[in-house]
Amino acid sequence: DAKTTQPNSMESNEEEPVHLPCNHSTISGTDYIHWYRQLPSQGPEYVIHGLTSNVNNRMASLAIAEDRKSSTLILHRATLRDAAVYYCILRNNNDMRFGAGTRLTVKP
Amino acid sequence: EAGVAQSPRYKIIEKRQSVAFWCNPISGHATLYWYQQILGQGPKLLIQFQNNGVVDDSQLPKDRFSAERLKGVDSTLKIQPAKLEDSAVYLCASSKNRGGNTEAFFGQGTRLTVV
Repeated sequence: DAKTTQPNSMESNEEEPVHLPCNHSTISGTDYIHWYRQLPSQGPEYVIHGLTSNVNNRMASLAIAEDRKSSTLILHRATLRDAAVYYCILRNNNDMRFGAGTRLTVKP
Repeated sequence: EAGVAQSPRYKIIEKRQSVAFWCNPISGHATLYWYQQILGQGPKLLIQFQNNGVVDDSQLPKDRFSAERLKGVDSTLKIQPAKLEDSAVYLCASSKNRGGNTEAFFGQGTRLTVV
């Protein structure tokens, strides 16, 4: 019953940018868009979040569509350590539910 | 800052036995989540606490699963009796509050194998 849709898998070459898409057409006004990633045998790790405006931090950038029905996580230069499952989540006061995520493979 | 602590890291039990998992969230975090992650799937929310009160337990199989956070700090998740399909990683997460503008921090999880 996840409220986001992501591709099952994506591939990237090392040191190239990666754009991970997410659709959330039923987003409500109080939902924040969060991204987490999960490396093998670890718990999910926070990456970035935003509400309406694009956001940048040391790990990634988040581009949010004007109608907020989709967003894109941007890794500016993929490294082998970025290989993980990336989850796009809509978070509000009462909900933080994960979908299946996108498995990112980074090729050397 | 210490992260979310979970124990044990691994547990193997026979079906119909009982098991309990423990979570110590980051100090000062009011919101605590338990998730079940079956191999190859995303984490599934089981229960959400705000301090010592339950916010959402709609996906918790209450006939066999129970969880508590009596003093609003540590939490335990119990399964009694366990079934084969309960084999999964159980993840605990915490955040300062419930608001969407706060990040959540996850523990490394407890891997449960039911044989």
